[in-house]
Amino acid sequence: GNSVTQMEGPVTLSEEAFLTINCTYTATGYPSLFWYVQYPGEGLQLLLKATKADDKGSNKGFEATYRKETTSFHLEKGSVQVSDSAVYFCALRKGLLGSQGNLIFGKGTKLSVKP
Amino acid sequence: EAQVTQNPRYLITVTGKKLTVTCSQNMNHEYMSWYRQDPGLGLRQIYYSMNVEVTDKGDVPEGYKVSRKEKRNFPLILESPSPNQTSLYFCASRGEAQETQYFGPGTRLLVL
Repeated sequence: GNSVTQMEGPVTLSEEAFLTINCTYTATGYPSLFWYVQYPGEGLQLLLKATKADDKGSNKGFEATYRKETTSFHLEKGSVQVSDSAVYFCALRKGLLGSQGNLIFGKGTKLSVKP
Repeated sequence: EAQVTQNPRYLITVTGKKLTVTCSQNMNHEYMSWYRQDPGLGLRQIYYSMNVEVTDKGDVPEGYKVSRKEKRNFPLILESPSPNQTSLYFCASRGEAQETQYFGPGTRLLVL
């Protein structure tokens, strides 16, 4: 079946460090891929997305590239800030209609950035 | 402002006392869903709805009910809550042909 695996946390970094959170997926066809972020005490917000192979999603200094050959969608940021402390979720969706429109989430990775 | 609202945000109840968590969206979205978030398990889908009067089970539907009588509302009903339903619940919505799903702020439920 369809699934998402992301690196377990927590991840603790110093401010201005480089961030990578690994995400791999299992799915047939060409799913859309997403990164959602959950700040403390809040709901999930879409951080970035990619809908086809080799697409790069980017937002707020974060980037992720849809790699079909390695079934991966790793999240990266060159210089993290304390305000980036949050839980990050990788997710996939097979389509837009019916049950294919359901998001399938990884378990989340908690990031803590120290000043 | 486009948003998904949930009420209540926090709820403490006792085993067996029926409760309803409301969810409302103002974006005229067709698709709505409920998730629960538990430590180490991430988000798991409870139920989803593709439009008015069209609902279906997600991955963990046991102990929950939903209804979709109006497009904007998608309440989650716990007929007889049990302690294993203590969790953080999120409602979400999406336009049928849209990629982005919007989440509510969450409802933290404690069942004693």
